[in-house]
Amino acid sequence: NAGVMQNPRHLVRRRGQEARLRCSPMKGHSHVYWYRQLPEEGLKFMVYLQKENIIDESGMPKERFSAEFPKEGPSILRIQQVVRGDSAAYFCASSRPESSYEQYFGPGTRLTVT
Amino acid sequence: AQTVTQSQPEMSVQEAETVTLSCTYDTSESDYYLFWYKQPPSRQMILVIRQEAYKQQNATENRFSVNFQKAAKSFSLKISDSQLGDAAMYFCAYRSADVTNAGKSTFGDGTTLTVKP
Repeated sequence: NAGVMQNPRHLVRRRGQEARLRCSPMKGHSHVYWYRQLPEEGLKFMVYLQKENIIDESGMPKERFSAEFPKEGPSILRIQQVVRGDSAAYFCASSRPESSYEQYFGPGTRLTVT
Repeated sequence: AQTVTQSQPEMSVQEAETVTLSCTYDTSESDYYLFWYKQPPSRQMILVIRQEAYKQQNATENRFSVNFQKAAKSFSLKISDSQLGDAAMYFCAYRSADVTNAGKSTFGDGTTLTVKP
């Protein structure tokens, strides 16, 4: 029973490029959450998605960031025109619909913007 | 909005000894969940222990136990018989049980635990 999978594990982008981070939830999980961890800080909530639906995006920056969770395929966190301040670890978690409090985390994607 | 505070950026403990990590939180909600996560150098977030706010009994998982004081909004983690493998960053987290806020977790800034042989 595979856990939450994220890829790539490491991603390097130059300023101005686009970054796409992928998250495949655990089997049977239809809810996905994205968090960002800046150096020396805790995780900060970004967005909560169900299949084809954004439930809560109160933690998403207003510009350049978007997230989707299509009917088929992984959830994608997209960052357009990356800047150095976007360098961080991005974690995805998933849960069953009936137990959003029980979230399982993926290994994270470390984004470095040069 | 909820906040989670971990007042100890760093802690150290001698192997086989006991250490307690502090966490306080602020919320106006009555029903919620509290968690401790361990993050080793691999950066994987590992769930250590979970506490439901409606339960008065403190959660225990092997060498890990919590002291949950709801009125004081305190949620400390006690690690007994510390092992070298316990060295990691530990995060305290709050998660609402309210369906309108469900899913959104609030994390503290973490405590780095060093275990000395």
